[in-house]
Amino acid sequence: DQQVKQNSPSLSVQEGRISILNCDYTNSMFDYFLWYKKYPAEGPTFLISISSIKDKNEDGRFTVFLNKSAKHLSLHIVPSQPGDSAVYFCAARPLTDKLIFGTGTRLQVFP
Amino acid sequence: EPEVTQTPSHQVTQMGQEVILRCVPISNHLYFYWYRQILGQKVEFLVSFYNNEISEKSEIFDDQFSVERPDGSNFTLKIRSTKLEDSAMYFCASSEAPLTSGVGDEQFFGPGTRLTVL
Repeated sequence: DQQVKQNSPSLSVQEGRISILNCDYTNSMFDYFLWYKKYPAEGPTFLISISSIKDKNEDGRFTVFLNKSAKHLSLHIVPSQPGDSAVYFCAARPLTDKLIFGTGTRLQVFP
Repeated sequence: EPEVTQTPSHQVTQMGQEVILRCVPISNHLYFYWYRQILGQKVEFLVSFYNNEISEKSEIFDDQFSVERPDGSNFTLKIRSTKLEDSAMYFCASSEAPLTSGVGDEQFFGPGTRLTVL
């Protein structure tokens, strides 16, 4: 079951630069998308979400872009900070209350 | 800031034994969920629970699994006869409203219980 895919298992970015995390999905019935951040030994923490009727949502340093025709979304973090180093999960909602997660991308922000 | 708590943080059990994983959701939340993450794999939905009933369950959530809200604060996941493949991190989550409401729908996750089945 690969309905939500994060093809980059890791990403390394210099502090102050932009981090771009990508996510692809296959199910056109997904109507809501979320990004979660996870530190070791902690549960996922909600970051930002976007409805399928929008193509952009911004919250501080975090912006999510949705391209429905390409079934692709991305999370932009700018400027990146060392504290952003974590695993980032893309998740999608298939018209019910469950979330379908991607495999995650490990972001490392170095000084 | 209110948070979801889970106990124990790590549970080791023998194959075939019953385990109960405990969660205390955020106090004003009404919707409860269990997810699991097998090492190196994605986080997978197990079950959602509202108004003392299962709302939805995945194919993973077979007859060996059950959930209960025994009192006003706890939400438990029971595995009756554990198998080696049940070894995973189990996350409890809660939300104020269902995801489908579009309002207050963020799911808050607990830190997880690592279950090791030997």
